Amino acid sequence: DTGVSQNPRHKITKRGQNVTFRCDPISEHNRLYWYRQTLGQGPEFLTYFQNEAQLEKSRLLSDRFSAERPKGSFSTLEIQRTEQGDSAMYLCASSLDWTVRGGGRGQPQHFGDGTRLSIL
Amino acid sequence: GENVEQHPSTLSVQEGDSAVIKCTYSDSASNYFPWYKQELGKRPQLIIDIRSNVGEKKDQRIAVTLNKTAKHFSLHITETQPEDSAVYFCAATPRGGADGLTFGKGTHLIIQP
Repeated sequence: DTGVSQNPRHKITKRGQNVTFRCDPISEHNRLYWYRQTLGQGPEFLTYFQNEAQLEKSRLLSDRFSAERPKGSFSTLEIQRTEQGDSAMYLCASSLDWTVRGGGRGQPQHFGDGTRLSIL
Repeated sequence: GENVEQHPSTLSVQEGDSAVIKCTYSDSASNYFPWYKQELGKRPQLIIDIRSNVGEKKDQRIAVTLNKTAKHFSLHITETQPEDSAVYFCAATPRGGADGLTFGKGTHLIIQP
């Protein structure tokens, strides 16, 4: 399967603990996105990378959240000092982006199955 | 920033009938509009997308229309089948889809047998 892969699928932890999630994008994709989805809502954008560079962070991404993509391949999302409100599905997506005539033009984003985080 | 409104939140139709889901967006710079289908406990799956240089796109039973002037786009599903039951999300973004997507709140489509 060459789709977006996320690990772990489920994470249960106590409030105050740190957690880290991993995303492996589709191999040829240079863009990688993180979203958060709560029950009954659409995904909310958190941040994205072009290769190893983090290009944008949403205001939803508090200073307890940090994301990395050190070699431009897989990415990790870490949440420090978890809070009850962090309980959600964390989704990763990837896409292929290229510049056409000086403008950005992206291919569709393909999502992984997500990591469901539950804070006790 | 972009704001996407989606209606209705729940839509129940008889099998074989058509379903229409509507979205509006606020940022006139948005130029890429994908639709995702999400079944319970599964990943969002892209079903169709449209860019602002076209007004309509069709793929078998699914079509999307875009009215840039009104900042409005819609998903049309014809000849609905039980497997169409799912939550559907519209989204919008500027720069051709290279940036993060802003999603609507979703429409729960129920196909009645």
